Amino acid sequence: EVLLTQSPGTVSLSPGERATLSCRASQRVSRSYLAWYQQKPGQAPRLLIYGASSRAAGIPDRFSGSGSETDFTLTISRLEPEDVGVYHCQHYGFSRVTFGPGTKLEIK
Amino acid sequence: EVQLVQSGAEVKKPGESLRISCQASGYSFSSYYIGWVRQMPGQGLEWLGIIFPDDSETKSNPSFQGRVVFSVDKSLSIAYLHWNNLEASDSATYYCARSVTTSFDIWGQGTTVIVSS
Repeated sequence: EVLLTQSPGTVSLSPGERATLSCRASQRVSRSYLAWYQQKPGQAPRLLIYGASSRAAGIPDRFSGSGSETDFTLTISRLEPEDVGVYHCQHYGFSRVTFGPGTKLEIK
Repeated sequence: EVQLVQSGAEVKKPGESLRISCQASGYSFSSYYIGWVRQMPGQGLEWLGIIFPDDSETKSNPSFQGRVVFSVDKSLSIAYLHWNNLEASDSATYYCARSVTTSFDIWGQGTTVIVSS
């Protein structure tokens, strides 16, 4: 089973700043199997990034994903107030799906 | 429009049975896995398992095996999540989501289940 850890647990930034969120896997994984989701308060998760770096349909280019092997990053450039929420990374493989604990993004 | 619409909130007693539903529309239901995800209050996401509507093939998280059952009605494009013996620890919000190879691209709005005596 692939275990995912995310850091930081909570981050507080101002509009216009850049957010860098980290997801670390307990073993090397294929980029193809790493995804990121945004969950706004009171809402269902929304797919942002799949295959580590491909944006899902309708996702603004302010959101980008990168990384490989055990270290992956979600970058949100030019933060907007609507970006507040929890960001989850997810691995899909070995007939198993695992999620990271999430990073809470607060906008000052 | 591709969407998943889940059934409404439930309040049940320990030991009772429950079935919640996930109605798919706007795409070929039989062609995509449906996954189920649990979110306990204030916590992260936990994968329960997935089911392929065409043949009802399922893959389960061992942590939840024996606790929940997945099923579908292909003719109605509905996926179900069942419990036979609810426990207080089953209180959570449950999401269904469409699986596209390695991620979940469409999510239901969630069904809140409260189990309390």
